[in-house]
Amino acid sequence: GDSVTQMEGPVTLSEEAFLTINCTYTATGYPSLFWYVQYPGEGLQLLLKATKADDKGSNKGFEATYRKETTSFHLEKGSVQVSDSAVYFCALSGDLGANNLFFGTGTRLTVIP
Amino acid sequence: GAVVSQHPSRVICKSGTSVKIECRSLDFQATTMFWYRQFPKQSLMLMATSNEGSKATYEQGVEKDKFLINHASLTLSTLTVTSAHPEDSSFYICSASLAGNTIYFGEGSWLTVV
Repeated sequence: GDSVTQMEGPVTLSEEAFLTINCTYTATGYPSLFWYVQYPGEGLQLLLKATKADDKGSNKGFEATYRKETTSFHLEKGSVQVSDSAVYFCALSGDLGANNLFFGTGTRLTVIP
Repeated sequence: GAVVSQHPSRVICKSGTSVKIECRSLDFQATTMFWYRQFPKQSLMLMATSNEGSKATYEQGVEKDKFLINHASLTLSTLTVTSAHPEDSSFYICSASLAGNTIYFGEGSWLTVV
């Protein structure tokens, strides 16, 4: 079945450091891939998405490229800020589209000044 | 943007009692809401799809008599964990679907059964 494997945290970085959070997936067909973010005390928000192979999703300085050959969708940011501290979830949509999401376990990122 | 509010954010209950978690869409009408749970270090798992005015659709392996879902209005869905046991302790989160397949999540609820 469909599943997502996400790098375990927590991750602690200094401000302006480079961030990578690994995500790999297993799926039949051609799923869409997502990164969601949950800031403290808030609900999950869509950060970025990619709907087909080689697509790059980007938002707020974060990027992730849909790599079909390696079944990966790693999240990257060149220079993190304290305000990026949150929990990040990788997800894929199954055959039923956005209403049938499979999530990774989440990675907690803490950025220190 | 659209907001989904979930309450309570944390609840502790005694084994054998029931606890209700509410999920509200604050500024839009949600004909469909979803309930997920997450055990420690595991993925979010879809429990059920809640449809306004009709019975919820449960995922395989989820006990419908234990996890009662009610979607009485277009802005409110409730999840009631009946006769809770310590193994029901988990993180429960709801989401609501807006037109165009955009999904908004609540803040989540931590349930601890002692």
